Formats: sequence, C-alpha cells, structure tokens
Amino acid sequence: GQQLNQSPQSMFIQEGEDVSMNCTSSSIFNTWLWYKQDPGEGPVLLIALYKAGELTSNGRLTAQFGITRKDSFLNISASIPSDVGIYFCAGQLKGGSNYKLTFGKGTLLTVNP
Amino acid sequence: GAVVSQHPSWVICKSGTSVKIECRSLDFQATTMFWYRQFPKQSLMLMATSNEGSKATYEQGVEKDKFLINHASLTLSTLTVTSAHPEDSSFYICSARDLVAGGKGNEQFFGPGTRLTVL
Repeated sequence: GQQLNQSPQSMFIQEGEDVSMNCTSSSIFNTWLWYKQDPGEGPVLLIALYKAGELTSNGRLTAQFGITRKDSFLNISASIPSDVGIYFCAGQLKGGSNYKLTFGKGTLLTVNP
Repeated sequence: GAVVSQHPSWVICKSGTSVKIECRSLDFQATTMFWYRQFPKQSLMLMATSNEGSKATYEQGVEKDKFLINHASLTLSTLTVTSAHPEDSSFYICSARDLVAGGKGNEQFFGPGTRLTVL
C-alpha cells in the first residue's frame, strides 16, 4: 500500500536538545496522527490533528497539520532519555469511510544522556 | 481510557498449525478494528479492516483464507493465521476506533502486539 515519506529515518541527539521530524504525502489527508512505538510494544497515540493549519501541543510535543493537507511535522523540545523510540506519522485518506490509516516508515530517535 | 489488549503477547508454533490472536477494546466500544503486521525495522502494514457483524475488508495482497478475521462483538476481534509458515513470523498489532469518540472519531488506539514465531 501507499506509504508516507517520513524523515529523517533516524536521529541521534543529546539530552536537552530539540527534535523535529516531518511527513509528506502526494495525497491529501483529512487527519494526521503521530504515534510513538517502544520496542516490542504497540504504537501509542501522541497527537491527533484534524484541520489544515492546526497546531497542537501535548507537553513537550508540538505537531502541525500542513496547509496543503499533504504534510505534517512533529517537534519535541528539551528531549529526555525516555523519548527514545520510533515515531510514526499516519494519515487518514480523505473521504475514507472506514478511517484506515497509512503510516510513514518511522523515525528512530536516540537520546544520549 | 481507550485501552486495547491483545492475547497472547507472544506465541511460538510449528509450521502448519493455526494460531488465533484476540484483540479487545477494554473500556470502549469499537465498530471498527484493524489488523496490522510489522516486520523488524519496518513500518506497520495494514492487513485488513474488521467491522462488527460483517466480513472483513482485506488489503491487496493479503490472503483472506489464510488470515481469518472475526469481529463478533463491539469489543472483540480475532485474527487466525491458518497453516502458519515461517514467513508468517511477524509482529501482529490490532487497533480499534472508538465508536463514541472522545476525540473526533478518527483516532485509532493500538494493542500491545503479538509476536508470532513459526518454526
């Protein structure tokens, strides 16, 4: 199936640094979601975005729904060791009646204490 | 709220046997559940969409006779891998969409996954 273009694939940062990752698509989405997955676990929802231009925060996390509806970014401020994991963006196809998601390939984040 | 459980968390079976994986929404009703497969270091790939009381919709390339899905109630969906072979070894994850929608109905909440190893 279709996949989103998520970048970067991986990031190695120092504790306290800010992080930014993004997703782009050739298709329009009406919902963007950001998930975090720890090894051997299912993804956990971080932020959901519903309107173009929407900027939403969840603690140290901030995500935006791009104006074109074809992109989204996630920022993590003041990273801490527990931020380590794989971050996935997911888009819901416009007009979908069953709300299925298309996932990006993930960004592996490593935080050095 | 919005807790999804899966059972078992891991299973090892012999080639040719069938394995059933359960997905339950614990504190909400889910008309729609989704089954994903994830290979190591890869993203989640949707296998099928399961709607309560109706037949599942399978993604292209997923064999419906091999991956049997039953969604008998608003809180339970099962995936049965029939005649499993080593290439079916993977991490299987379900998700559920909250019917009532504390958000706006589009969020999917994921289970913890089931690690299947076929010898």
